Amino acid sequence: GAGVSQSPSNKVTEKGKDVELRCDPISGHTALYWYRQSLGQGLEFLIYFQGNSAPDKSGLPSDRFSAERTGGSVSTLTIQRTQQEDSAVYLCASSFSTQGDGYTFGSGTRLTVV
Amino acid sequence: AQKITQTQPGMFVQEKEAVTLDCTYDTSDPSYGLFWYKQPSSGEMIFLIYQGSYDQQNATEGRYSLNFQKARKSANLVISASQLGDSAMYFCAAASAGGGATNKLIFGTGTLLAVQP
Repeated sequence: GAGVSQSPSNKVTEKGKDVELRCDPISGHTALYWYRQSLGQGLEFLIYFQGNSAPDKSGLPSDRFSAERTGGSVSTLTIQRTQQEDSAVYLCASSFSTQGDGYTFGSGTRLTVV
Repeated sequence: AQKITQTQPGMFVQEKEAVTLDCTYDTSDPSYGLFWYKQPSSGEMIFLIYQGSYDQQNATEGRYSLNFQKARKSANLVISASQLGDSAMYFCAAASAGGGATNKLIFGTGTLLAVQP
């Protein structure tokens, strides 16, 4: 596709349930990133995939959070046993370059835990 | 690793005037890139301008310019002739740029700009 696609766009879940968020990056982009943005806050780095290298998981806030990237393309972010503090917009980005407009962001998934 | 600091949580500017949004960074990487993004209320992230750490001249893109002071580790965004549509959240970000490899963007906390008529 022309851009980074994220689904669902909105997700409401009950506390304690597991959720899966999907990101489909731009074809050919070797790097994929997940960020979390709480209301009125900046973008918090979660995890980064680069080609076949081991992912950089340094931003994951707890072991309830995990992500995988299958075939170097689509990525799924999984949050287990969701808590109310997990409510945020989860943004995915992909890139081909560290320069200029090389990073492209998806429109995000708004997660609400009730 | 990078750390980005934006000390202005909110700014007001009159339409048609210029405004400067502050950004300082802390990095030990020898080569890095600095970015500014705009996030309107719709939530999309819009790339505005980029400055490479070895670029000799300050970057400019239309009404946007980046005041890059490497020794001070600052990368302030200047918006000239503000328009009502400039009202949004603005984020400064940085990424390592060594070896041609992609690397994660690290963001500041943002500055909310309100342009007044």
